[in-house]
Amino acid sequence: GAVVSQHPSWVICKSGTSVKIECRSLDFQATTMFWYRQFPKQSLMLMATSNEGSKATYEQGVEKDKFLINHASLTLSTLTVTSAHPEDSSFYICSASGRADYEQYFGPGTRLTVT
Amino acid sequence: GQNIDQPTEMTATEGAIVQINCTYQTSGFNGLFWYQQHAGEAPTFLSYNVLDGLEEKGRFSSFLSRSKGYSYLLLKELQMKDSASYLCAVMDSNYQLIWGAGTKLIIKP
Repeated sequence: GAVVSQHPSWVICKSGTSVKIECRSLDFQATTMFWYRQFPKQSLMLMATSNEGSKATYEQGVEKDKFLINHASLTLSTLTVTSAHPEDSSFYICSASGRADYEQYFGPGTRLTVT
Repeated sequence: GQNIDQPTEMTATEGAIVQINCTYQTSGFNGLFWYQQHAGEAPTFLSYNVLDGLEEKGRFSSFLSRSKGYSYLLLKELQMKDSASYLCAVMDSNYQLIWGAGTKLIIKP
């Protein structure tokens, strides 16, 4: 099956700093990548959808200036959490798809803790 | 609005069979997915149904009835490693996945 990696797998940062999370599709070209956030014991919450070479589409309530998404190539998307606060602490998961109407392949997730 | 309903938690015995139900109301329908998610890990794909009927894959089967807005995931010969959350997700007319809150399955010896 298709493999998606995320880096880092976990990160601890201080309040006010920025953190970049990378999502890579290792063996296929991902025309569409999705970024999710998941709080403990809750379901996945879609933050944004990005297509290679175009601006990300953010879900309602997600601050695009705070969560910067770049999908510069068919194998890489990045999520930057700017000016992180403790309430941004969460499990961030990316997924990738070769087509928008097809199965999403999930990365292993990144656990962010903001102190 | 769009809505996916599944039970919050279920308990079953090792070796037994369990059925996890999912009902949905969405704007359009382009398929229903089941994912398994162990604590602290990302979801992994289990099944995809777009036509009515039963799809069998080893110990896991998934059923869909589009007219009823209903699906179930059937797990047979339960093993302790099947303890996880099971997420139902529907792809709507905009090809966006609408996620259920997940069903936490507890397997007891």
